[in-house]
Amino acid sequence: QTVVTQEPSFSVSPGGTVTFTCGLSSGSVSTTYYTCWLQQTPGQAPRTLIYNTNTRSSGVPDRFSGSILGNKAALTITGAQADDESDYYCVLYMGSGSWVFGGGTKLTVL
Amino acid sequence: EVLLLESGGGLVQPGGSLRLSCAASGFTFSHYSMSWARQAPGKGLEWVSTLSGSGSNPYYADAVKGRFTISRDNSENTLYLQMNSLRAEDTAIYYCARTQFPIALAVYWGQGTLVTVSS
Repeated sequence: QTVVTQEPSFSVSPGGTVTFTCGLSSGSVSTTYYTCWLQQTPGQAPRTLIYNTNTRSSGVPDRFSGSILGNKAALTITGAQADDESDYYCVLYMGSGSWVFGGGTKLTVL
Repeated sequence: EVLLLESGGGLVQPGGSLRLSCAASGFTFSHYSMSWARQAPGKGLEWVSTLSGSGSNPYYADAVKGRFTISRDNSENTLYLQMNSLRAEDTAIYYCARTQFPIALAVYWGQGTLVTVSS
């Protein structure tokens, strides 16, 4: 069973830059995993920020960007704001019509 | 505007059944795959099932295979999830999502419906 790995938590100062990663317990993440990045605040439905590795969803500010860094997918937030404080999830397409979520990263802005 | 509205959640006993619905609007429903994902209380997100736009190709997570059935009515713009043999570990908020297969599991999400499996 492949496990999708994310950092459990991160903190960033207002105005700072933070990069989360999304990896595999075995192997490397590439564009063929079509990584999506989701943002979720407590009590709310998820919101898709990035899909297909680096395509921003409609209305998502360009402070959010997706990429492949080494053997992992990455989400970078530049100019962090207080309302970026949320949980961030990646989800990978594993082929044969199945997806796997990472465990999520809790971002604190302080 | 794309809208997805789930309904049908509630309290059910272990071993029982429930059918969730997701009413879609604001796009040509039959042109898109649709998915269900869930989130247990205090836990992360979990993919449950995806169905192609025609309804011909269903996909399931191992945790629900053989117990859950995904279906759709394209004339009513509605996605369904029939859940049988429910277990305590199926307790979660269930979200439906519009899928852009395979590049995006979910570009749009519903607000979710809570399923509680308990005696």
